[in-house]
Amino acid sequence: NAGVTQTPKFQVLKTGQSMTLQCAQDMNHEYMSWYRQDPGMGLRLIHYSVGAGITDQGEVPNGYNVSRSTTEDFPLRLLSAAPSQTSVYFCASSTGRGVPEQFFGPGTRLTVL
Amino acid sequence: QKEVEQDPGPLSVPEGAIVSLNCTYSNSAFQYFMWYRQYSRKGPELLMYTYSSGNKEDGRFTAQVDKSSKYISLFIRDSQPSDSATYLCAFATSGTYKYIFGTGTRLKVLA
Repeated sequence: NAGVTQTPKFQVLKTGQSMTLQCAQDMNHEYMSWYRQDPGMGLRLIHYSVGAGITDQGEVPNGYNVSRSTTEDFPLRLLSAAPSQTSVYFCASSTGRGVPEQFFGPGTRLTVL
Repeated sequence: QKEVEQDPGPLSVPEGAIVSLNCTYSNSAFQYFMWYRQYSRKGPELLMYTYSSGNKEDGRFTAQVDKSSKYISLFIRDSQPSDSATYLCAFATSGTYKYIFGTGTRLKVLA
């Protein structure tokens, strides 16, 4: 099992550009989520999904879109990048049942100039 | 008041020391109390979790929950340089998928 994979590892954008951060998992997990991690702010939930076709907003959803067309994939779209979106982005997945363990991907380091 | 408070550190200790990491929280509905470990430039990984209350031990690690004080702790005995990482507390209510994370405490164990 590859677990949770994220691409790209690093990305530099200019203000106003759009892009999609990819996330995939091969563990047949129902629950997937996106977090951003900033110094002094910890991990903050952006969007999450409890299954294909079902998504909901987290704590900091503005400026981001998600969709979940398959169990495996959960892409995060930045519509019009802003410097405030410079961060490290983590995707995570879990069964959503029993042990509350989320499996995290390796992260995407995004810089918006 | 923040929902979760965690001292960011950094905390430097000599090898073999007992380490105590703590978080306070304000939401009395939390039922899952978790500790994640994050090595530099890696994703977090679950270290331990407790459901509802009480203590849990796993090798050199002990997690404690005091719901009356809304305070959780992680103790590391005989700390090793390989324990150097950021430790994040995390909380969740039963039946939800919204985890709340602390800011993380950076720990450095000196050889």
